[in-house]
Amino acid sequence: EAGVAQSPRYKIIEKRQSVAFWCNPISGHATLYWYQQILGQGPKLLIQFQNNGVVDDSQLPKDRFSAERLKGVDSTLKIQPAKLEDSAVYLCASTLLGGWETQYFGPGTRLLVL
Amino acid sequence: GQQVMQIPQYQHVQEGEDFTTYCNSSTTLSNIQWYKQRPGGHPVFLIQLVKSGEVKKQKRLTFQFGEAKKNSSLHITATQTTDVGTYFCAGRSGGSNYKLTFGKGTLLTVNP
Repeated sequence: EAGVAQSPRYKIIEKRQSVAFWCNPISGHATLYWYQQILGQGPKLLIQFQNNGVVDDSQLPKDRFSAERLKGVDSTLKIQPAKLEDSAVYLCASTLLGGWETQYFGPGTRLLVL
Repeated sequence: GQQVMQIPQYQHVQEGEDFTTYCNSSTTLSNIQWYKQRPGGHPVFLIQLVKSGEVKKQKRLTFQFGEAKKNSSLHITATQTTDVGTYFCAGRSGGSNYKLTFGKGTLLTVNP
């Protein structure tokens, strides 16, 4: 079974530029999560999708971050404009249904904002 | 909001020594999960605890969930170099859309 795919794996941009990350969850998984992991900290949930609907985006900085999962499969997370403090690893995870299930994480995208 | 605290932040041991990391929540949890993240890697699920006072074992790893469901621990017996990584606990409170709140993790390094 293929795991969660993410691209790009690394990205370096200057502040105020835009960046987009892509995630393809495990086939058939209805729930998709985007996390931000700052160095030395645990993952922080940014947004949770159930199919193509948003379940929780309470910690998403909506003035600069946006995410979509239009067809209920793959998803993109965008930052516009980026700030220095956005430097982090952006992890995508998925579960079959949601709820209490195991979350399967992708390899992450390492973002450095200069 | 819900907070999950982990201690210690770092632990360095000699191979063969035991290791324990502790997790405390500001609220009662419906369940708690533990993940391991190798350096440069992504979190990998280890186990989920649901019941008050639950104890689960995986080979040299022992996981406990407190009676009040507000704390948990992970104990590794006779550490090996393959145990190196950051161990995260992640808790869910009831009625929170099943959102996982991660602790900051404990980084374990093992000297061979």
